[in-house]
Amino acid sequence: DAMVIQNPRYQVTQFGKPVTLSCSQTLNHNVMYWYQQKSSQAPKLLFHYYDKDFNNEADTPDNFQSRRPNTSFCFLDIRSPGLGDAAMYLCATSRTTGGSNEKLFFGSGTQLSVL
Amino acid sequence: QKEVEQNSGPLSVPEGAIASLNCTYSDRGSQSFFWYRQYSGKSPELIMSIYSNGDKEDGRFTAQLNKASQYVSLLIRDSQPSDSATYLCAVNEQGNTPLVFGKGTRLSVIA
Repeated sequence: DAMVIQNPRYQVTQFGKPVTLSCSQTLNHNVMYWYQQKSSQAPKLLFHYYDKDFNNEADTPDNFQSRRPNTSFCFLDIRSPGLGDAAMYLCATSRTTGGSNEKLFFGSGTQLSVL
Repeated sequence: QKEVEQNSGPLSVPEGAIASLNCTYSDRGSQSFFWYRQYSGKSPELIMSIYSNGDKEDGRFTAQLNKASQYVSLLIRDSQPSDSATYLCAVNEQGNTPLVFGKGTRLSVIA
């Protein structure tokens, strides 16, 4: 089945140790998103790619970077994780942005713990 | 600051009752509106979308949109314990900007 796949489901890292989260999609969608979601809070958009065009949210910390080497894959790099970065990280895709085409398809998420 | 507001709850309803979830948004030019359901520890899943004023029904779910008053609501008829989850309202604002999510309303259906 076509889907959005995130690996790993749970990730534990040490304070300051770089970590990479991965996302792949078989939907052939143009747009891929990374959201951060902390307990009882709304998903917070970190950045999104429209094809290869990178769009960074103004308040996304510099500690967070992203790569999209091809249509199917997108990576979230956290260069020096702090305790405040512990959260669920959600990858999502959509065919395009704006209007009815922006139905989001989410992966299962990666729960990041920082020790 | 574009905002989507939801009452965080928890909203508790007895099994079989109608659950009513509300959402308001700040951008009058918003075009598309979505309701996502999120179980604890899981990712959001789309349950309803609505684009025009009025009601849209899908099984036990009805989405209602009133653009003049800038609110969108979700009704769940014959609520079941399995409906207990957080319901996120998401709004597509003007242009090709990504969706804006509300903080969600936690629904608890009591058997």
